[in-house]
Amino acid sequence: KAGVTQTPRYLIKTRGQQVTLSCSPISGHRSVSWYQQTPGQGLQFLFEYFSETQRNKGNFPGRFSGRQFSNSRSEMNVSTLELGDSALYLCASSLLGQGATAPLHFGNGTRLTVT
Amino acid sequence: DAKTTQPNSMESNEEEPVHLPCNHSTISGTDYIHWYRQLPSQGPEYVIHGLTSNVNNRMASLAIAEDRKSSTLILHRATLRDAAVYYCILRRNTGANSKLTFGKGITLSVRP
Repeated sequence: KAGVTQTPRYLIKTRGQQVTLSCSPISGHRSVSWYQQTPGQGLQFLFEYFSETQRNKGNFPGRFSGRQFSNSRSEMNVSTLELGDSALYLCASSLLGQGATAPLHFGNGTRLTVT
Repeated sequence: DAKTTQPNSMESNEEEPVHLPCNHSTISGTDYIHWYRQLPSQGPEYVIHGLTSNVNNRMASLAIAEDRKSSTLILHRATLRDAAVYYCILRRNTGANSKLTFGKGITLSVRP
């Protein structure tokens, strides 16, 4: 069974640009969540989607957005990039219906560098 | 979500058992205790979870205190490949696969 796939693996952008990151969940997983990881703040929750709807949102500005498609694939977008957006962006998928017992399966992330 | 507290780092010798502690004094009755680990240049990997009873799987064991205010992840024989950051987190049954709050985790070093 293929794992969670995130593309691209690395990305370099300049301030003010926008970026779109992609996540393909494990087959059969309908919940997708996104996390930002930085050395200073650790892993921080961005948002969660299932059934093409945002279900939970973390404490990030509106420049961070996402969406989920009918095949459960998800994208996240960051507009008007700032230097502080440089981070590892991680996507995780999980099964629905298992509540708090459902393990999250993470991809290896997209490393975004903003210059 | 309730918070967890872990030491910043631990060291172990290869092939010896490792006990990684986690405090969660504000845990509620419906919070599950989950452990993940993150190897260098990879995303976090699920290790184990439990509610009240001790749990074993092929990767590790989870020992949960009777009052549930603390837990310990046990690696029975550490290998060099177990060197990673280990995160202890709490998950509540809210109906959605709710957001997780990861702390800084424990950085485990394994000496050959």
